[in-house]
Amino acid sequence: QLQLQESGPGLVKPSETLSLTCTVSGAFTSSSRYYWGWIRQPPGRGLEWIATIYYSGITYYNPSLETRVTISVDTSRNQFSLKLSSVTAADTAVYYCASQKETYSGNDWVPGGFDIWGQGTMAIVSS
Amino acid sequence: QSALTQPASVSGSPGQSITISCTGTSSDVGSYNLVSWYQQHPGKAPKLMIFEGSERPSGVSDRFSGSKSRNTASLTISGLQAEDESDYYCCAYAGSGTYVFGSGTKVTVL
Repeated sequence: QLQLQESGPGLVKPSETLSLTCTVSGAFTSSSRYYWGWIRQPPGRGLEWIATIYYSGITYYNPSLETRVTISVDTSRNQFSLKLSSVTAADTAVYYCASQKETYSGNDWVPGGFDIWGQGTMAIVSS
Repeated sequence: QSALTQPASVSGSPGQSITISCTGTSSDVGSYNLVSWYQQHPGKAPKLMIFEGSERPSGVSDRFSGSKSRNTASLTISGLQAEDESDYYCCAYAGSGTYVFGSGTKVTVL
């Protein structure tokens, strides 16, 4: 069955770039059935959607993070990745990757809700 | 893109029914039938409980149901059980491929 696993450095210095990877098994990142997303959760706080990507390279970003975020997909490695630049302590969080099934809404195909989640990886921003 | 509004906490006794509200705007909850609900136990990843407003993934108990009226979505848990004690988050499509989560609700089983 579909499984996702995040990996990342754990500790990042302020002003540097946080890089995370999500490895997918049980499905192909090249599949037209899925979109792939990142969500984060600061300690003791709620969930925040960060970004979503389709196998074709189409990307969607949270407007509040758009200037600092890049999401990409590597279909040859069956992975997708997140880069968050100029990090501060406010970016300290558990970062989750998740799959989103393609769904039809209105007059278009769009990413659906987050159906399968990785276990999450903690990223701490500290000098 | 502001977070959807949920009550901070809801409680109920075993066997009772509770409802968690999720209020958005005409740009998100009110515009699309793409509201989803997640259960998150402490230290664990969220789990999808409801998608597309009222659909349950395979394996999710039919005690969980979803609905929507205008700009407010709701999650109802019937026959409340101790294992339902958890945090619950709603999430809505906001157009152009973007999503917004709710503020989260802590459910306590008395």
